[in-house]
Order: sequence, then structure tokens, then C-alpha cells
Amino acid sequence: DAGVTQSPTHLIKTRGQQVTLRCSPKSGHDTVSWYQQALGQGPQFIFQYYEEEERQRGNFPDRFSGHQFPNYSSELNVNALLLGDSALYLCASSAGQGLSYNEQFFGPGTRLTVL
Amino acid sequence: AQSVTQPDIHITVSEGASLELRCNYSYGATPYLFWYVQSPGQGLQLLLKYFSGDTLVQGIKGFEAEFKRSQSSFNLRKPSVHWSDAAEYFCAVPSDDTGRRALTFGSGTRLQVQP
Repeated sequence: DAGVTQSPTHLIKTRGQQVTLRCSPKSGHDTVSWYQQALGQGPQFIFQYYEEEERQRGNFPDRFSGHQFPNYSSELNVNALLLGDSALYLCASSAGQGLSYNEQFFGPGTRLTVL
Repeated sequence: AQSVTQPDIHITVSEGASLELRCNYSYGATPYLFWYVQSPGQGLQLLLKYFSGDTLVQGIKGFEAEFKRSQSSFNLRKPSVHWSDAAEYFCAVPSDDTGRRALTFGSGTRLQVQP
């Protein structure tokens, strides 16, 4: 059983460009969350997708947007890149929005460098 | 808002020595609490979780954590550290009482293991 997969592994962009990161959830999972982890920091929640809708959003500007596809995979898009967007972007998947807590499983991340 | 604080940025222990990593939380109700580990270049792996009930929680890799409501703490312990335990450790709490949504992470504690 493949866990959470993310692509690409590494990415280098220049300021002002746009980037798209991709995530495939663990088999059986339908909820995808994205986190940004700057160097030396803990992950910061960006947003969460369930049933192809954004269900919760952290304190990130509108330059950060996302999408979830019918197969539950997800994309994170960042427009007008800034140097401060350089970070490890983590995707996490979980199973549903039921009453009990659903553990989030994390992918290995995409390392984005903005020059 | 729910939050966690990890007071120790960096800890060094000798292989075979005991370990305790500190985590303090701020949460309105009985919290869900988590400890994650991140090895270099890797995503996050869940070590253990506390939902309710027994305040001493056993996790993977020989780790345990104790929930102390009176001290608002959830410290991670291991009786004998192995060189492979060198990594970054994060304490986390869900953003709401449902536990279904975003996780809020501490800033992490980097563990170095001396031979």
C-alpha cells in the first residue's frame, strides 16, 4: 500500500513565478491537508480539502490556492512567488470527516526554493 | 486558539541515556495531543497520540508520553536512546475540538545523539 506521495521532490523557481505541487493521498483516504514548513520551524497549516471543496484555511494569502480532484488527489498552487515562500511543503491525508479523530498521514514533502 | 510550546530547541543526549522532550499546550477542552518525528529529508511520522483515558501513552520505537492536565504538559520520553533516534520532534494539537481538521505544531526540538 503506497502511502502519501508528492511530486516533485524538489523545485527551484524565481520570484514572481507560479508553481504547482501535487499530492496523492494514501489509499482509502479522501481528505487532504497542506502544510508549509519553513527552515527550522514547525509545519504551518495552509488549507484542507474534502469532497473537492476547501473546508478549512490557515492564515495564508490568496496567492495560495488549491484543488482536489474526484480521485482525491490534490494540487497546491502558489502565484507571484516571494523569497519567503521557500519551504518544505507537506501534504497529509486522512480518512473522512466523521465524528472520531482521523489520523493524518504525511508525505515526504516538496522542497521549494525561490531565488 | 489552541497552541503548543516546545521550550527546548536543541537537546543532545548520549546513546543509551534516557530522554525527555517537553511540550506544553493551551487548549480549552480535553485535548487530543500528538508527537511526530521528522528525520532529515523525510516527512512526519506519528509516534503516539493521546485522545482520552489512560494518561500514559505508548507509541512506536519505544517512546511514551504522559498527559498531565495540572501542568498542561505532554512530555515525550524514552528510557534508552539509540543513535537512530536523532531527528526533529514535534508536538501537535488539533485546531478545533473535533480533532478532524488542521494540526497546530510546536516549533520542534532537534535531538542529537552522541556515541
